[in-house]
Amino acid sequence: AQSVTQLGSHVSVSEGALVLLRCNYSSSVPPYLFWYVQYPNQGLQLLLKYTSAATLVKGINGFEAEFKKSETSFHLTKPSAHMSDAAEYFCAISNFGNEKLTFGTGTRLTIIP
Amino acid sequence: GAGVSQSPSNKVTEKGKDVELRCDPISGHTALYWYRQSLGQGLEFLIYFQGNSAPDKSGLPSDRFSAERTGGSVSTLTIQRTQQEDSAVYLCASSLVGPEDTQYFGPGTRLTVL
Repeated sequence: AQSVTQLGSHVSVSEGALVLLRCNYSSSVPPYLFWYVQYPNQGLQLLLKYTSAATLVKGINGFEAEFKKSETSFHLTKPSAHMSDAAEYFCAISNFGNEKLTFGTGTRLTIIP
Repeated sequence: GAGVSQSPSNKVTEKGKDVELRCDPISGHTALYWYRQSLGQGLEFLIYFQGNSAPDKSGLPSDRFSAERTGGSVSTLTIQRTQQEDSAVYLCASSLVGPEDTQYFGPGTRLTVL
């Protein structure tokens, strides 16, 4: 079985501050991990993904995430928040033999001007 | 267009009616997925098609739900005898072959059952 846990359903940060969204995973086989973003009334858009090539993954819009096997984590970060980052963020997992995405419950990010 | 398209974008129906939701995947993508997004259940997997293999139906919540994929391309999700708890946004995604490949999502169909 595979699962992801997102700590914090709501996160608020000031514009220009560090963004840190947490994701921990559980998987009995090597996982593939994804972060998706959903802007209001829009579909899901891939931010970045981990597919075992490199543990530090850079994505779009200045976001990055680091795969830490010892901590079973894949936290999403951005050094300086922008107002346009306000959205809901989903962590997801898949692996060979279980190709579907299993999503976390999501984290709604609010940016304070 | 180059992306995944879904129709209709919105569907309002009465309890007990049948509905069909359509998904056009990205050309060349052999994998197609249906997910459902609702306030109470979050994002949940429904069904997965891969090439000519038998679909993975393990996420379908009841036998009122079915899906088919014709010619390895377009897919239709059918919900029979709709119930109010079926109200949700139904999302379709497509990808290349493996689990490491990015799933590209369509804009979704918002279903409201009155």
